[in-house]
Amino acid sequence: NAGVTQTPKFQVLKTGQSMTLQCAQDMNHEYMSWYRQDPGMGLRLIHYSVGAGITDQGEVPNGYNVSRSTTEDFPLRLLSAAPSQTSVYFCASSKRQGGNQPQHFGDGTRLSIL
Amino acid sequence: AQSVTQLDSHVSVSEGTPVLLRCNYSSSYSPSLFWYVQHPNKGLQLLLKYTSAATLVKGINGFEAEFKKSETSFHLTKPSAHMSDAAEYFCVVSGGYTGGFKTIFGAGTRLFVKA
Repeated sequence: NAGVTQTPKFQVLKTGQSMTLQCAQDMNHEYMSWYRQDPGMGLRLIHYSVGAGITDQGEVPNGYNVSRSTTEDFPLRLLSAAPSQTSVYFCASSKRQGGNQPQHFGDGTRLSIL
Repeated sequence: AQSVTQLDSHVSVSEGTPVLLRCNYSSSYSPSLFWYVQHPNKGLQLLLKYTSAATLVKGINGFEAEFKKSETSFHLTKPSAHMSDAAEYFCVVSGGYTGGFKTIFGAGTRLFVKA
């Protein structure tokens, strides 16, 4: 029962470096999303996808790119890392986008930008 | 517009005493409401959800929440706290609006349980 798998669990980057956070789900969910969690701010939506080949911006998309070539995978790319992107990143999935759909979360990637 | 406010950033209880975590929401449409729990270094786990059926919703681990439309509240309760309940709890409102769909997370309430 893998659910939502995120890799890596921890990462330290230098300002200006790029990297990709991986997310995979094995539940055949249509909807996938990326959030960042910062102290006292809850979770904020970065990007989301309602199916393979379809992505859209969330609340805080600047500095991040996504793609969805398969149903299972939804990687998040940091183009040029900045200290403001130090955060905990969560990937989530649900059967489809909809108000009554609970989301399944990965265990997060803890990212520090120096 | 949609919003969610968790009224306490920290709550401390003794083991065996009741837990009350407060959440108020605002929504232009009939919302779905959720409570999630997050243990240290883990992702969020669904505790319970309200989706316009019964107003008293029972969840996992003995938690329940009551949807009160007149008060726009969705408070989370548990009759007797256990040490393992120490975690952060998030209230979430989700629903459609003109032109789209939105999910909003509260800022979180950290629950401390004293022995």
